[in-house]
Amino acid sequence: EPEVTQTPSHQVTQMGQEVILRCVPISNHLYFYWYRQILGQKVEFLVSFYNNEISEKSEIFDDQFSVERPDGSNFTLKIRSTKLEDSAMYFCASSALAGGNTEAFFGQGTRLTVV
Amino acid sequence: EDKVVQSPLSLVVHEGDTVTLNCSYEVTNFRSLLWYKQEKKAPTFLFMLTSSGIEKKSGRLSSILDKKELFSILNITATQTGDSAIYLCAVVGAGGTSYGKLTFGQGTILTVHP
Repeated sequence: EPEVTQTPSHQVTQMGQEVILRCVPISNHLYFYWYRQILGQKVEFLVSFYNNEISEKSEIFDDQFSVERPDGSNFTLKIRSTKLEDSAMYFCASSALAGGNTEAFFGQGTRLTVV
Repeated sequence: EDKVVQSPLSLVVHEGDTVTLNCSYEVTNFRSLLWYKQEKKAPTFLFMLTSSGIEKKSGRLSSILDKKELFSILNITATQTGDSAIYLCAVVGAGGTSYGKLTFGQGTILTVHP
């Protein structure tokens, strides 16, 4: 069964460093998303991506964050100059159609710990 | 701003019990409501509901949407210890340039004891 895969599963980084979280969406999906979940809190939307550009982003997704689809399979989230409060589980998701018309499938997540 | 509220926040039952989880929402131009099950990590998809009053069913799980009263319920009958998880409700609106972002509730933590 096709699935969204994310690497690494856990990343520890020092405050101020840059991290890149990687995702391989389901191959025939066209819409890609990043969400995050701070421990004990809600899953929060960060950004959606379609046709090689950002289609929507939340207030959380400021200049510290960027996304890229460098090739036909990978979808990355870059966080520059990490802060302690960036520690969270980051989920990548993809859907075949625009969300709301079909379900989004989630990867297993990358747990980011900023120390 | 879209909003989703789930209740109860946590629930402890014994195997064989039936549970009902609630989700109420406010969303601009409702498109769909989704239920996910979150065990250790990734939310896994359970149901997507778009039409009011039509029950979706999968085994012991079922869900229904009431678009007039802006809520949905998720029922689990004959619960098993494997049903222990966080159940997430999320909505998709069609406001502005939305490409289908999910707005999640805080989840219901279900614990099923043997």
